[in-house]
Amino acid sequence: QVQLKESGPGLVQPSQTLSLTCTVSGFSLTSNSVSWVRQPPGKGLEWMGAIWSGGSTDYNSALKSRLSISRDTSKSQVFLKMNSLQTEDTAIYFCTRGDLRGYYYVMDAWGQGASVTVSS
Amino acid sequence: DIQMTQSPSSMSASLGDTVTINCLASQDIGNYLSWYQQKPGKSPKLMIYGATNLEDGVPSRFSGSRSGSDYSLTINSLGYDDEGIYHCHQYYEYPLTFGSGTKLEIK
Repeated sequence: QVQLKESGPGLVQPSQTLSLTCTVSGFSLTSNSVSWVRQPPGKGLEWMGAIWSGGSTDYNSALKSRLSISRDTSKSQVFLKMNSLQTEDTAIYFCTRGDLRGYYYVMDAWGQGASVTVSS
Repeated sequence: DIQMTQSPSSMSASLGDTVTINCLASQDIGNYLSWYQQKPGKSPKLMIYGATNLEDGVPSRFSGSRSGSDYSLTINSLGYDDEGIYHCHQYYEYPLTFGSGTKLEIK
């Protein structure tokens, strides 16, 4: 069965770098994409970026200068690194599987989310 | 960026009611719209894709529709299990964007 699980530090200091790992099972990273989506407390969802099955990446332009997404297919892991963190980056960070339903791209499986607080 | 204006931000309805949640896209997105349901403390769950297609396993009480740039999610015969936050999502153009969410409470 398809599963995704985020891991990483719960607390990051301002101006530091956030590193999160998404470990997947039940599918191959060379067959499906993985996106990162975050949700600040009490707010809506924000798509951060994706790594596609071929290894290319796309980023939200609002975060592009600070964000990097990479993967290790042998370990079925996707990595998120974001630098220069500020308090407004406090959020739940989700990794999601992308798949196709005919012409339509969907995020059909989500991890449980990793809570990240930016605070000194 | 494509803005998704979602309404209402919150609503309360009774068991058995029919409710409709709306999303207005700031530009044409074709049928490249999904709806997600999110329960408290949980991750979102895909309900509708392609504006009108029901994801496998989702009850047929849920339906999606489109009129121009207006997209709607309708839930018939509301049950307690339908309580949560509903998000619309466009995947027509990068960056992918979401509506601000609609919190549905069952009275």
